[in-house]
Parts: sequence; C-alpha cells; structure tokens
Amino acid sequence: AQSVTQLGSHVSVSEGALVLLRCNYSSSVPPYLFWYVQYPNQGLQLLLKYTTGATLVKGINGFEAEFKKSETSFHLTKPSAHMSDAAEYFCAVSVVKAAGNKLTFGGGTRVLVKP
Amino acid sequence: SQTIHQWPATLVQPVGSPLSLECTVEGTSNPNLYWYRQAAGRGLQLLFYSIGIDQISSEVPQNLSASRPQDRQFILSSKKLLLSDSGFYLCAWSVSGALGNYGYTFGSGTRLTVV
Repeated sequence: AQSVTQLGSHVSVSEGALVLLRCNYSSSVPPYLFWYVQYPNQGLQLLLKYTTGATLVKGINGFEAEFKKSETSFHLTKPSAHMSDAAEYFCAVSVVKAAGNKLTFGGGTRVLVKP
Repeated sequence: SQTIHQWPATLVQPVGSPLSLECTVEGTSNPNLYWYRQAAGRGLQLLFYSIGIDQISSEVPQNLSASRPQDRQFILSSKKLLLSDSGFYLCAWSVSGALGNYGYTFGSGTRLTVV
C-alpha cells in the first residue's frame, strides 16, 4: 500500500528565509507525487506535481520540488519565504487502480512565517 | 474550463439532525468524485469516491453516506449527526479512468459544526 510521511507538523520560518518541507513516500510502483497548499477555511490548491520526466518540478508561487527515487523523497522548497506563504501544505501520492486513481495524503505541515 | 461548486460554506447542526452537503462539477463529463474530511488536528481522510452514477465506494465505515444521482453531482448525507461528524468537508474531482497523473481539483469546503 502507498503511504506518505511529512516530517514536522509545524514549521516556522523567517520572512526571506528558505522554506523546506519534507515528504517521503512509499509505493510499490513508480509514483505520481503532488504538493497542495491550503489556506484557512479553503479547499486545497495544487502547487506542483511530478509524473514523469524531469525530476525537478517547478510550481506556482516560486515553489519547487525534487523527486529523488533513491531516497523516496519529494521535498518542497522555496528560496525566500513570503508572509503569504503561511498556510498548510500537503504532500500526496497517487494510487492508480482499475477503478480510478486515489490520492493518499500526508498529515500536512503548517507553515508559520515570522516577519 | 472546469469548475467545482460546494455548498453550504458553513453549517451548524444539532446532534441527531440530518445532513446533506452537495457538490457539483461543471465543464467535464464522467469525472471521478471524492469526499474528504478534515477533523481538527488530523489530516485528510477519504470518505467516499465515485467513478460513475450510482457507483460509490466507501473508504471508512461511519455515520455518513454518499450518493451520485447525476453524472456531475455528488451528495454527502447523514440521517442522524454525531458530535464526531464535525469537521471540514471537501469535495474533489479528477479526470475519469485509471489515470494517476492529473491529481484532484478541490472545492472550497464546508465547515460543519455539530452542537
């Protein structure tokens, strides 16, 4: 069965500092991986995704993530945090079955940005 | 373009009352549809998913049920709400079929408080 582990349920960064959110997955087949962001009382918005090809994936709002098969990781980074990055972030792996795909989500990481 | 609508945005219901949350998708046909719940301090829990009209799969035994009376309509219901049903409910859709690389598009969510 597929699973996703996000290290750290809360991360605090200073404005302008590097944002690093860790995600490790387990999958018996080559995975499709996703990062979503959720602002308070809103739905989830897709930040970026890895399907095939280039392992460094760029997304919206200056975020990027790198798929490392040997480490079974898909960590999310942003070089310089902005106050608007304060939100909760979810890593997810896609499980493809004959009956349709299902996303398995990590527990989420809440990011606090300090001025 | 595709859009997903979810309502109501907030709901306060007494214990033992019925529940009906509705989700509709526009701009696509035969989508896969999903209901997730976020309880306070917990991650995203998949409740139900559907690959077609009247085709519902339940992920977690509970006090809730789901129905899909039309291709792009997904309804979450309960006959008698429990306090533990409180949470943030999210509807999502994805491209139909066994394709894992598209991810999900989420609605804006319903905050349910059972009192």
